Amino acid sequence: DAGVIQSPRHEVTEMGQEVTLRCKPISGHDYLFWYRQTMMRGLELLIYFNNNVPIDDSGMPEDRFSAKMPNASFSTLKIQPSEPRDSAVYFCASSLNRFSPLHFGNGTRLTVT
Amino acid sequence: TQLLEQSPQFLSIQEGENLTVYCNSSSVFSSLQWYRQEPGEGPVLLVTVVTGGEVKKLKRLTFQFGDARKDSSLHITAAQPGDTGLYLCAGDDYKLSFGAGTTVTVRA
Repeated sequence: DAGVIQSPRHEVTEMGQEVTLRCKPISGHDYLFWYRQTMMRGLELLIYFNNNVPIDDSGMPEDRFSAKMPNASFSTLKIQPSEPRDSAVYFCASSLNRFSPLHFGNGTRLTVT
Repeated sequence: TQLLEQSPQFLSIQEGENLTVYCNSSSVFSSLQWYRQEPGEGPVLLVTVVTGGEVKKLKRLTFQFGDARKDSSLHITAAQPGDTGLYLCAGDDYKLSFGAGTTVTVRA
């Protein structure tokens, strides 16, 4: 099992640019989560999906953020336009079902200058 | 405002010493999970506690869930440099909420 795969590992972009983060969950996992981690705020849940359907997006900071899950093996988190305060490590995680533990990817470190 | 408060924020000890990390909340959780995160990696699950008063042991790590299911502790006996990392607790109340974490450094 390859685990949760995220790409890219690092992204450096200029303010105003569009950023797309990608995630491949573990095969067979029904839930997919996007988290953001910063020193100030810790690990925050942005949005999660069940069977490719967004269930709770209350953690998405603002309209500049959007997430999609077109199929069971792929999800994207897009920021448009990006701002310096979006700089953080973004994690994708998946779980087998509602009560199973989360399996995290190794994250994407985003720096917006 | 964090739903889960972890303390201390930082902990630095010598190899062989014991340490305890705390996770507290005013909310009741159906379960609580502990994760460890190393630099450049995602958090990895250590244990899940479900029953109030439950104690689980994982080698030198002992996890306890409070009777009221609002708090938890992690105790490490005879810490080793390999225990260094960020320890995160996460409470499940329909969605998983994480504490800010405790950064543990074990010096050789």
